[in-house]
Amino acid sequence: GENVEQHPSTLSVQEGDSAVIKCTYSDSASNYFPWYKQELGKRPQLIIDIRSNVGEKKDQRIAVTLNKTAKHFSLHITETQPEDSAVYFCAASIKGNNRLAFGKGNQVVVIP
Amino acid sequence: ETGVTQTPRHLVMGMTNKKSLKCEQHLGHNAMYWYKQSAKKPLELMFVYNFKEQTENNSVPSRFSPECPNSSHLFLHLHTLQPEDSALYLCASSQGAESYTFGSGTRLTVV
Repeated sequence: GENVEQHPSTLSVQEGDSAVIKCTYSDSASNYFPWYKQELGKRPQLIIDIRSNVGEKKDQRIAVTLNKTAKHFSLHITETQPEDSAVYFCAASIKGNNRLAFGKGNQVVVIP
Repeated sequence: ETGVTQTPRHLVMGMTNKKSLKCEQHLGHNAMYWYKQSAKKPLELMFVYNFKEQTENNSVPSRFSPECPNSSHLFLHLHTLQPEDSALYLCASSQGAESYTFGSGTRLTVV
């Protein structure tokens, strides 16, 4: 089955700097790759996603890049702010692209 | 609310108690899921239901018993739990991979 791996597991950045989280996946049939943000005590929420026919997508301070050949995709957060501190989960579509397989999550800490 | 509602938000139960968690979605999705999230651990998929039929059970102990009476409602019946079962239990629903929506979760503490 699909194996989705995230690294690093924990990332600390100074406020204003950029943060990058990388994910790899194993199933070449996957064609949808979302990122979820989970703040402390809250539910995971979709923040950005990308489909396999696109190499990059940007939404204000966050962007996602996809390399289908290498089977990896990354989340980029620029000009980090304290409210960016959260756990970020990547995911890849599986089961005929009807479901998601989630990575283990990255704890991002933005230091004021 | 996200369209996926979970109740209760918090639950404290003894190891001999029987309780139930409820999840309700008004998004017209055909799939519903239970996830367990322990402190500093990843999302663990427990059960998957498609059109109210269970399609996946990831080796979950029998003290957790799911029920899906229709495509909009999902329950998790709990009995004789252990302290290590204390966690955040998240319900999610979807209509394909691109519409995953999580509920706010039930914070369960077993004493």
